Amino acid sequence: GQSLEQPSEVTAVEGAIVQINCTYQTSGFYGLSWYQQHDGGAPTFLSYNALDGLEETGRFSSFLSRSDSYGYLLLQELQMKDSASYFCAVRERRDDKIIFGKGTRLHILP
Amino acid sequence: DGGITQSPKYLFRKEGQNVTLSCEQNLNHDAMYWYRQDPGQGLRLIYYSQIVNDFQKGDIAEGYSVSREKKESFPLTVTSAQKNPTAFYLCASRRQTDTEAFFGQGTRLTVV
Repeated sequence: GQSLEQPSEVTAVEGAIVQINCTYQTSGFYGLSWYQQHDGGAPTFLSYNALDGLEETGRFSSFLSRSDSYGYLLLQELQMKDSASYFCAVRERRDDKIIFGKGTRLHILP
Repeated sequence: DGGITQSPKYLFRKEGQNVTLSCEQNLNHDAMYWYRQDPGQGLRLIYYSQIVNDFQKGDIAEGYSVSREKKESFPLTVTSAQKNPTAFYLCASRRQTDTEAFFGQGTRLTVV
């Protein structure tokens, strides 16, 4: 079946760069998305990679390699407000489900 | 303002009772989804619907039911058959041609 694997937690220092990886197993999908969720809040969309390569949106970048079944989210110039959980997700071609990974909790140290 | 609204924000239920969670969107989105979130478990898909009067089971549909009588509304009923219903429930919607999903603020259900 389909699955997405992410590290459960990552810790980084304010102002630094952090990379959150996502490996996936799915029969076919439209692309890889990333969402951010603060404690008690709703997930919000961050980025989407339909094709292989790097997509940049301000301090956040996302990468996809379909041949490696792998993607990552890169956060630069970390700020305390970036402390949150980050989820990778795919929308499957077969049935249009959106499936999420278990999420990576990002801790930022001052 | 367009958006997706879930109500109530907090809900308490006695064991053995059914309860219905509301999800309404005015974004004119065709697709709607229900997820359950438990600590450390991420978002697990309960049910989803791509069009009015049609819906499909997700990965953890047992003990839940849904309806999609209107495009704007996708209520979720947590039945007494759901053995461990205490969780955070999130509703989402998506335009058919897009990948981005928009989420409501969630309903936290507690069984007492």
